[in-house]
Amino acid sequence: RKEVEQDPGPFNVPEGATVAFNCTYSNSASQSFFWYRQDCRKEPKLLMSVYSSGNEDGRFTAQLNRASQYISLLIRDSKLSDSATYLCVVTGGGATNKLIFGTGTLLAVQP
Amino acid sequence: GAVVSQHPSWVICKSGTSVKIECRSLDFQATTMFWYRQFPKQSLMLMATSNEGSKATYEQGVEKDKFLINHASLTLSTLTVTSAHPEDSSFYICSARGTNYNEQFFGPGTRLTVL
Repeated sequence: RKEVEQDPGPFNVPEGATVAFNCTYSNSASQSFFWYRQDCRKEPKLLMSVYSSGNEDGRFTAQLNRASQYISLLIRDSKLSDSATYLCVVTGGGATNKLIFGTGTLLAVQP
Repeated sequence: GAVVSQHPSWVICKSGTSVKIECRSLDFQATTMFWYRQFPKQSLMLMATSNEGSKATYEQGVEKDKFLINHASLTLSTLTVTSAHPEDSSFYICSARGTNYNEQFFGPGTRLTVL
């Protein structure tokens, strides 16, 4: 079983749509959770951290359910510029602080 | 945010040659640097973690004699792929973290193609 699992997509949505991505992780000792965005052939960039209380940054809302080991990202009012691969990332748990990446979910926003 | 650069951005080499990739933190001191590798349609996989002035810690399955890491200063880490082979062709990305940051800042990556 992969440590971080995501639906690879692609998710093809029209501009203005709301889209949700889900992610599950296997290590219950993981302490920190993130969503990164990666454009084609580029490095990943931090989109937002994810907290148990849920957090929102403009059109983006992230949720964490520790009991279910489940993380979500909601994008409202999709823009063409949101087209990218969204990576669910968790820390390794225990003494290590290394980042463990999911394979990503590809989003294509259509005009 | 902090800026991390990588050089070169891409390299094509013949099988058997060695390739050095540099990772620099431009506006902060990076006490820890990380090297990742990403194959097409796969996730980033951590190869090794290096702290300035000490030996790198390699992840399971990564050959330390093949992937030489040097973190000689607080702003520079290098990864040398020795005797590269076609299966080493990948996207190599570094990241850096400083004492004042909890976040890792990623370099733009180096695309290695071994013929």
